[in-house]
Amino acid sequence: DTGVSQDPRHKITKRGQNVTFRCDPISEHNRLYWYRQTLGQGPEFLTYFQNEAQLEKSRLLSDRFSAERPKGSFSTLEIQRTEQGDSAMYLCASSLGWGGEAFFGQGTRLTVV
Amino acid sequence: AQTVTQSQPEMSVQEAETVTLSCTYDTSESDYYLFWYKQPPSRQMILVIRQEAYKQQNATENRFSVNFQKAAKSFSLKISDSQLGDAAMYFCAYRRGNTGNQFYFGTGTSLTVIP
Repeated sequence: DTGVSQDPRHKITKRGQNVTFRCDPISEHNRLYWYRQTLGQGPEFLTYFQNEAQLEKSRLLSDRFSAERPKGSFSTLEIQRTEQGDSAMYLCASSLGWGGEAFFGQGTRLTVV
Repeated sequence: AQTVTQSQPEMSVQEAETVTLSCTYDTSESDYYLFWYKQPPSRQMILVIRQEAYKQQNATENRFSVNFQKAAKSFSLKISDSQLGDAAMYFCAYRRGNTGNQFYFGTGTSLTVIP
């Protein structure tokens, strides 16, 4: 386990379809984050898990978005009824303890057509 | 709310020269962490350097160093002896101390290294 992995790397979907992304954090990391990044912008926070508990959600995370982290290991991010505005890079990151830096995955690029 | 500002959307530097990327942040906290991340065209973000707010000494990692001015809420990154592989987007990020959950990112600076 050398880093954070995300699957798939790319996803093209039709508007209105549901999509699910997976993130496998670094195994000993208890904290997991989801961010969204659009072209030319910095990552925007979506949600945060400490172990299996989802402790914080951004207002950006509408009711079409749901994230889980069962058993405090991998995490999934689901987007229901996708819209063109959902097109972005979805980044997952993990960290260990207070003050630890976040380690990022390569991201999942979502294109909604 | 915490905000991070990077006022230089693009910067360029000649190979082997030195460049400084600017970052300012706004917070009312006294305990926090600051980071510089690099995002090459492959898009995976990697940590360049981190600074704990309680430390007065500026962090240094090989050719990378920071100028941390806590009172001015400024956190600039200096890259010495620039190399072609340094070309990337650079993001400044802030995280609160013990109760901090999320990282706040700036909008990034695109660095071009000219051979």
